[in-house]
Amino acid sequence: KQEVTQIPAALSVPEGENLVLNCSFTDSAIYNLQWFRQDPGKGLTSLLLIQSSQREQTSGRLNASLDKSSGRSTLYIAASQPGDSATYLCAVRFEETSGSRLTFGEGTQLTVNP
Amino acid sequence: DAGITQSPRYKITETGRQVTLMCHQTWSHSYMFWYRQDLGHGLRLIYYSAAADITDKGEVPDGYVVSRSKTENFPLTLESATRSQTSVYFCASTSVGGYTFGSGTRLTVV
Repeated sequence: KQEVTQIPAALSVPEGENLVLNCSFTDSAIYNLQWFRQDPGKGLTSLLLIQSSQREQTSGRLNASLDKSSGRSTLYIAASQPGDSATYLCAVRFEETSGSRLTFGEGTQLTVNP
Repeated sequence: DAGITQSPRYKITETGRQVTLMCHQTWSHSYMFWYRQDLGHGLRLIYYSAAADITDKGEVPDGYVVSRSKTENFPLTLESATRSQTSVYFCASTSVGGYTFGSGTRLTVV
């Protein structure tokens, strides 16, 4: 079964710290991987999309890496701010699944303390 | 405004009633999806559609019906609502830029 796992489930850091969120997936045959942010009671906001041929993507203070062979992705957040507090979701589109569907991890709930 | 619009944002319904959640996209994305989000289960795919008049089941389709007569609309119907269908429902579409999600519908079945 194709699964996506995110560790840790929750993370609390002081403002200004650099941090890494982890995502692992069980099948290295993927089309792409997408990181989302979800604020409480809100929808999902796309942060970064990494195609299977890419190793990393960057947007501002965010950097996402992809290592297909080891089934891992990391989301690096530089100089964290209280506004970064949210749940971060990793989602994978596996090659073997039909219909362009995504498989989601359960998320990492990040709290950045002032 | 461009994007995905879901309605209603909140809905309370009684057990056994039929309820329809609406989803509209302003693009012409071929693929559209319905997910539900529940504590302890994350996001799970209910149904998806590859194009108008083409739909297929996802991971948890029981108790739900979808239709897609027009590319831009993808309504989700709960034929006879049950308490286990209390959840937050998200509609999404996908393009080469990845997935885009709507703001969600919070459904409570009492």
